[in-house]
Amino acid sequence: GAGVSQTPSNKVTEKGKYVELRCDPISGHTALYWYRQSLGQGPEFLIYFQGTGAADDSGLPNDRFFAVRPEGSVSTLKIQRTERGDSAVYLCASSLKGQGTEAFFGQGTRLTVV
Amino acid sequence: LAKTTQPISMDSYEGQEVNITCSHNNIATNDYITWYQQFPSQGPRFIIQGYKTKVTNEVASLFIPADRKSSTLSLPRVSLSDTAVYYCLVGDMYSSASKIIFGSGTRLSIRP
Repeated sequence: GAGVSQTPSNKVTEKGKYVELRCDPISGHTALYWYRQSLGQGPEFLIYFQGTGAADDSGLPNDRFFAVRPEGSVSTLKIQRTERGDSAVYLCASSLKGQGTEAFFGQGTRLTVV
Repeated sequence: LAKTTQPISMDSYEGQEVNITCSHNNIATNDYITWYQQFPSQGPRFIIQGYKTKVTNEVASLFIPADRKSSTLSLPRVSLSDTAVYYCLVGDMYSSASKIIFGSGTRLSIRP
């Protein structure tokens, strides 16, 4: 595709449920980032992949959050036992090589936990 | 990671030049400076990147003084569509293991 694609665009789930958010990066981009953004705040870093491996997962808030990128392309952010505080827009970005190269963002997935 | 400080908000009028300054006092030798723009309900979009002196593209100019402790994003002749949040970031240009960190950004409002 032409850009970074995130699905679903909106997700409403009940407290305690499990959710998966998908990111399709730009083809050929080795770096992939996940961010979380609350209203009025800047994007908060969650995790960064270089290829298939997580180069930095220091932003994951707790062990309920997990992300994978098994083939170095599509990535899935997984949230277990969702809480109302997890409600936010989850943004994915990819870049050709990582730091130093332009990052392209998707439109985000708006997650609402009720 | 070098921390950045920028104004929370700015207002201007259509047709004016807008300059947004970002402070990054502890910028490291390998760090470069990048600015992103974000519209409501969209992901951030790359505007411009530079290491020193001046960089210009079709959207903006980036001015970086010799000590590199600050930088200024300059938007010429703004229009209503330039209303957005602008983020200043600094990061190591040679480290592929470095994450991209956003601050709170500057909320720019353009009036008719």
